[in-house]
Amino acid sequence: DVQLVESGGRLVQPGGSLRLSCAASGFTFSSSAMSWVRQAPGKGLEWVSSIFSSGAATDYADSVKGRFTISRDNPKNTLYLQMSSLRGEDTAVYFCAKSPRNSLTGSVHWNFDLWGRGTLVTVSS
Amino acid sequence: EIVLTQSPGTLSLSPGETATLSCRASQTISGSTYLAWYQQRPGQAPRLLIYGASSRATAIPDRFSGSGSGTDFTLTISRLEPEDFAVYYCQQYGRLPLTFGPGTNVEIK
Repeated sequence: DVQLVESGGRLVQPGGSLRLSCAASGFTFSSSAMSWVRQAPGKGLEWVSSIFSSGAATDYADSVKGRFTISRDNPKNTLYLQMSSLRGEDTAVYFCAKSPRNSLTGSVHWNFDLWGRGTLVTVSS
Repeated sequence: EIVLTQSPGTLSLSPGETATLSCRASQTISGSTYLAWYQQRPGQAPRLLIYGASSRATAIPDRFSGSGSGTDFTLTISRLEPEDFAVYYCQQYGRLPLTFGPGTNVEIK
């Protein structure tokens, strides 16, 4: 089956750290650009971070820049999000998502054609 | 940052009716049509419906259609089925940071 499965979410204190994982299967992970998108309780979707297939290039929302790090292990088909200096406003369900590649040009189109079910991160004392 | 505004916030309709959802961008989206639509049912992950403003994603029924370019985009859902009552988000991917609209809740009247 083509799927993404996130893990690692839990209750963490403000200022703490956490690493999320996203296991991919059923598609060529090493050729796929990947992202993290989050959703605070009862709120809308917020893009967090993206990484190209090789891992050579990354980008972040201003709200997490300098605190979060996205990475990937292609041989293990796994995407990661290392989160530090966590704040209450980071409380959310974190989804990993895959972006398609234009079949003619090879360029990445940064919409999200496959999503995981998400993992809940709660930042509270 | 490109800000997306969706209207209406809530749309109350009956099964079989047509839903028309709007997404407006604060500036022209690079590539003109780098706009996607997603459906999110309660407790579920979002699902891609439309990309490139008007192309349906894999396995999406043809009652879903998208149109528009530049700054104004529309998602039309014809002949609403019970499973179509959900929240719909637009997303621009023409420029970083990637941004989503606040969503339109399509509810049963």
